[in-house]
Amino acid sequence: GAGVSQSPSNKVTEKGKDVELRCDPISGHTALYWYRQSLGQGLEFLIYFQGNSAPDKSGLPSDRFSAERTGGSVSTLTIQRTQQEDSAVYLCASSRGTGETQYFGPGTRLLVL
Amino acid sequence: AQSVSQHNHHVILSEAASLELGCNYSYGGTVNLFWYVQYPGQHLQLLLKYFSGDPLVKGIKGFEAEFIKSKFSFNLRKPSVQWSDTAEYFCAVRTSGGGADGLTFGKGTHLIIQP
Repeated sequence: GAGVSQSPSNKVTEKGKDVELRCDPISGHTALYWYRQSLGQGLEFLIYFQGNSAPDKSGLPSDRFSAERTGGSVSTLTIQRTQQEDSAVYLCASSRGTGETQYFGPGTRLLVL
Repeated sequence: AQSVSQHNHHVILSEAASLELGCNYSYGGTVNLFWYVQYPGQHLQLLLKYFSGDPLVKGIKGFEAEFIKSKFSFNLRKPSVQWSDTAEYFCAVRTSGGGADGLTFGKGTHLIIQP
């Protein structure tokens, strides 16, 4: 596709459930990034991938958060045992390579009840 | 770790007014600087960026920003705003090297242009 796509666009879940968020980067982009946007914290970096490996996981807030990327394309962000403070918009971005401009997707709005 | 400060959280202007949004960062090394915009109901879009060279950079829709290294600043400007500029504006920085490539964002400035 022409841009970064994310699914689902909205997700409502109950506290304690696991959720999976998906990101499909721009074709040919080797770098992929996850961010979280919340009212209290603004935009926070979570993790990035170069190819299938994640050189920088420094932003993951706890061990309940994990991400993977397979085939150098689609990535999934998994949140286990969700908590209410996980409610936020999760943004994905991709770039042609590290150090290049990042292009953002529309985000997944997660609400944990 | 680096941080980004945007001084104005909410700005209200009338159409045709001039705009300047402040952005300061804290990092002493080489940086890449960005301004992103989020229009209502839309996703983040790149307005402009600075990597190196001329410190005055021009972006889309008549926006420009000036990198002043001595002041650790990257303020966004537009000489005459339009109603369609109503949006949230984010300044971001990326430090080069060290294996880190994520952007550090400011808290954002909510700009409202009154017709």
